[in-house]
This record gives sequence, structure tokens and C-alpha cells, in this order.
Amino acid sequence: EDQVTQSPEALRLQEGESSSLNCSYTVSGLRGLFWYRQDPGKGPEFLFTLYSAGEEKEKERLKATLTKKESFLHITAPKPEDSATYLCAVQGAEAAGNKLTFGGGTRVLVKP
Amino acid sequence: KAGVTQTPRYLIKTRGQQVTLSCSPISGHRSVSWYQQTPGQGLQFLFEYFSETQRNKGNFPGRFSGRQFSNSRSEMNVSTLELGDSALYLCASSLVEGRNEQFFGPGTRLTVL
Repeated sequence: EDQVTQSPEALRLQEGESSSLNCSYTVSGLRGLFWYRQDPGKGPEFLFTLYSAGEEKEKERLKATLTKKESFLHITAPKPEDSATYLCAVQGAEAAGNKLTFGGGTRVLVKP
Repeated sequence: KAGVTQTPRYLIKTRGQQVTLSCSPISGHRSVSWYQQTPGQGLQFLFEYFSETQRNKGNFPGRFSGRQFSNSRSEMNVSTLELGDSALYLCASSLVEGRNEQFFGPGTRLTVL
């Protein structure tokens, strides 16, 4: 069974203070690792898909990286509007179709 | 391009009732998945439909069911509601199977009293 663990559960940052979020996963065979951002009361917003170890993707102040056991979401010089819950999810080889297994998320609060 | 839409956005029901939630995927997307989100359990997969066929199901009781129509729109039904069914129900759509991003709707907030 696919498993995803995210750490830390919560993160308080000052504006401009860079940090990294961790996503550790266990899958029989990784078909894809996904990062989402979720604001309170809204559905998750797609950020990145990573498919193989060594892959990196960037979008504005966010950069996602992938190894064989974990993924990191780096937030560089965050702004208050980066405050949200960041969710990591995996698609394993044994899961039929598009089933995603999610981690518990990391709540990020960026203070001005 | 319009995103995933879900109706209704909010719903209040009492125990024992049943409820039907609706999801319209992004135009051209044929796969629709449903998830339940609660503070205690996080996001959990309910089921997925592709070309009107359920092709994957999560670990939820039979009270939870769904279907997909020929236009890819999907509905999920929960019968004999329990207090623990209170949650945000999210629908996600994607183009086809395999390595494809899923795009989520805003969700339906269900409260069971």
C-alpha cells in the first residue's frame, strides 16, 4: 500500500525566510509525485508533477525536487500570499487508474 | 477554459438521509475521481470513473457510490448518512489514464446533523 508522510505539520516563516517542506513516500513503483497548494475552504490547486529521481521543477518562488524516497518543496523568499497548506501525493504502479495517495499536508504561515 | 465545477457547494443533512453530489469535469477530461477530506483523516480516495466505468475504489463502505454519464459528468451518492460523513467532498478530473495531473474542483461541504 502506498504511503506518504509530510513534515513538518506546520511551519511559521517570516517574509523572506526561505525553507523546505519534506514529503517521504513508499510506493511499489512511482508513476508520479504531485504537489498541490490548498487555501482554506477551497480545492487543491495543482503545482507540480515529478516522475523520476533527479527531476526538478520551478514556479515563481517554489521549487520541487525528487529522490527515490522523498521530495522537497523549497520556498524561496516567501511572501504572505504563499501562506497555504501544501499537499504531496503519489501515484503508485499498483494503483489502478489515477488514484492519488495524499500526505497529511504542511500548513505554511508567512508573516509580514 | 472553465475549471471543475461542483454542486452544491454547501449542504446540510440529518442522519439517515441520503445525498447526491454532482461534478462537471474540465471540458475534454474523461476521468473523474472523488475524494473525501476531513481534519482527522486528510484527503482519502473514494473512487474513480473513466468512460462511465468505475475502475478503482477506495476503502469506504457501500453506502458511498457513484456513477459517470456519457458527457463525463459524475455524481456521487451517500445513503444513510452518519455524523462521520461530514466532510469536504472533492472531485478531480484528468485527461486520460496514466501520468496525468488531476485538477480539483472547489468541493462540496457536507454537514450531517
